[in-house]
Amino acid sequence: QVQLQESGPGLVKPSQTLSLTCTVSGGSISSGDYYWTWIRQTPGKGLEWIGYIYHSGTTYYNPSLKSRVTISVDTSKNQFSLKLSSVTDADTAIYYCARAGGQYLPPLYWGQGTLVTVSS
Amino acid sequence: DIVMTQSPESLAVSLGERATINCKSSQSVLYSSNNKNYLAWFQQKPGQPPKLLIYWASTRESGVPDRFSGSGSGTDFTLTISSLQAEDVAVYYCQQYYAAPITFGQGTRLEIK
Repeated sequence: QVQLQESGPGLVKPSQTLSLTCTVSGGSISSGDYYWTWIRQTPGKGLEWIGYIYHSGTTYYNPSLKSRVTISVDTSKNQFSLKLSSVTDADTAIYYCARAGGQYLPPLYWGQGTLVTVSS
Repeated sequence: DIVMTQSPESLAVSLGERATINCKSSQSVLYSSNNKNYLAWFQQKPGQPPKLLIYWASTRESGVPDRFSGSGSGTDFTLTISSLQAEDVAVYYCQQYYAAPITFGQGTRLEIK
């Protein structure tokens, strides 16, 4: 069974770049028609879809975050990553990585999530 | 963006009774070429990620108890728990995956009365 695990700093200073990695186990990130996804959750805005990447490198980002987001994939490490630049306290959230079974399917497998706090 | 609106915001139901949660989308999520509604339901318990319960509006994910059912089409959808169990206490979310950006409802908190 595929498993996903987020990792990265739990504290980021305002205006800096948030960087998270999702390590996938139990299956190759390069195989199958899967879309590797980042989603975040805040008390105020609830669940917010950030974007996804296909193993070929094709990406789609939420327009509300597009100017600040980069999602990349490292097939050699079976990982994909999220970078969010110019963070503010509004970016404080639990960040989840997930796998969707297709471009137009909901994510079935999720990581446990990692809390990232933006604070000086 | 497609806005998903859930009602009620919170709900208290007695054990063994029926629980009903509603979700309305700001535009239809029914794709006419395949007659599928691009609507999913998730359950989230404290400290856990959301768990996929239902997709295509009414298809239960493998392993999900059959007391959970989804219905509706177009813009109006319902999640029904036919006989509430203690382990069903959670927050429930609807999600549309018809159009990017994918969007979620604000959640419905389900408690035991």
